[in-house]
Amino acid sequence: DGGITQSPKYLFRKEGQNVTLSCEQNLNHDAMYWYRQDPGQGLRLIYYSQIVNDFQKGDIAEGYSVSREKKESFPLTVTSAQKNPTAFYLCASKGLGGYNEQFFGPGTRLTVL
Amino acid sequence: DAKTTQPPSMDCAEGRAANLPCNHSTISGNEYVYWYRQIHSQGPQYIIHGLKNNETNEMASLIITEDRKSSTLILPHATLRDTAVYYCILSNFGNEKLTFGTGTRLTIIP
Repeated sequence: DGGITQSPKYLFRKEGQNVTLSCEQNLNHDAMYWYRQDPGQGLRLIYYSQIVNDFQKGDIAEGYSVSREKKESFPLTVTSAQKNPTAFYLCASKGLGGYNEQFFGPGTRLTVL
Repeated sequence: DAKTTQPPSMDCAEGRAANLPCNHSTISGNEYVYWYRQIHSQGPQYIIHGLKNNETNEMASLIITEDRKSSTLILPHATLRDTAVYYCILSNFGNEKLTFGTGTRLTIIP
């Protein structure tokens, strides 16, 4: 089945540690996205990538970093510079251009202790 | 992208039609109306989109007013599995980004 996988579903880290969230898709989509969601809020865009080896900052990129070495993969690193990292993180992908139908993964809930 | 306004919450009886309104009075001519929904603790799911004509698919219908300043998402026979937060989003064709608001929390009541 085609889709997007995110792992792990739940992640716990100590304050001050960097942590990398995984996102893989087998939909052959060019564009991939990372969103953050806080309780009771909508999604906010962290980073997105439209092509391998290229990515753009979203609305809340500070304290995060990404890479796009392969079309299928778009890992997100939450660095120690991110002041409030505890949140629900969602990855999405879509075909380049055209309509904005994004496919989302199941999300990773990160808790920083 | 122009902003949308949605009621924070709505209830609907199971088996009835759920009608979710969205106001977008500053929509521009090339902006599409998209609807997504998010079931608790899951990733959002695309439902439907439209420009100016009414649209229907296997999940829902989208009714856009003639002046395009508002729209309604209709779930024709709501089930308990339709309980979710529904987001109305505007986006230009070819725009690679979506901007999510806080949406409408729809609760289907048995």
